[in-house]
Amino acid sequence: SQELEQSPQSLIVQEGKNLTINCTSSKTLYGLYWYKQKYGEGLIFLMMLQKGGEEKSHEKITAKLDEKKQQSSLHITASQPSHAGIYLCGADISTDMRFGAGTRLTVKP
Amino acid sequence: DAGITQSPRHKVTETGTPVTLRCHQTENHRYMYWYRQDPGHGLRLIHYSYGVKDTDKGEVSDGYSVSRSKTEDFLLTLESATSSQTSVYFCAIRGDRGSNSPLHFGNGTRLTVT
Repeated sequence: SQELEQSPQSLIVQEGKNLTINCTSSKTLYGLYWYKQKYGEGLIFLMMLQKGGEEKSHEKITAKLDEKKQQSSLHITASQPSHAGIYLCGADISTDMRFGAGTRLTVKP
Repeated sequence: DAGITQSPRHKVTETGTPVTLRCHQTENHRYMYWYRQDPGHGLRLIHYSYGVKDTDKGEVSDGYSVSRSKTEDFLLTLESATSSQTSVYFCAIRGDRGSNSPLHFGNGTRLTVT
């Protein structure tokens, strides 16, 4: 989706390292969603953010929606091989949900 | 996990043949969606439904039609498959709150058009 830009497109990190994935919109975000996808499988819902400045955590994954509500970041602390996969952000744009192109994360043991 | 079943999981078909993909949910959710996922394009919305017999087009609807005769079933039909429709197709459902709730996805159907 051109409405949502994700960076980086791919990321290779050593196990134990921290990392950040960004999702940027040219429009104000009303409802930002993070998903994870493993190869050959569907998307798994991680977190939803709705308010500017909101921050949510699940295990070692933290997501934040910035104050101006046009960017979200996903931060993984002490990465593990189980974190590997494709991370996608989604946002309610117009009448439906659109997605970024995804960030492919590889975690090297 | 949300009760969403897509069938078939894999299909190979020839150019020009009709194909129907099925999405079945057990959550009684109002909204249902069909997306396709392609390298370099991410997920793109094909069609969606906001109730029985209520459907609308997404951003890549050409060559596709949908039907929803029951709350639990949402069918995607390719009337005459083309090679450009080779893709992975995902069905998703969403609760009645609509834009204040996440989508939940099925495991996908991998379609190859030869």
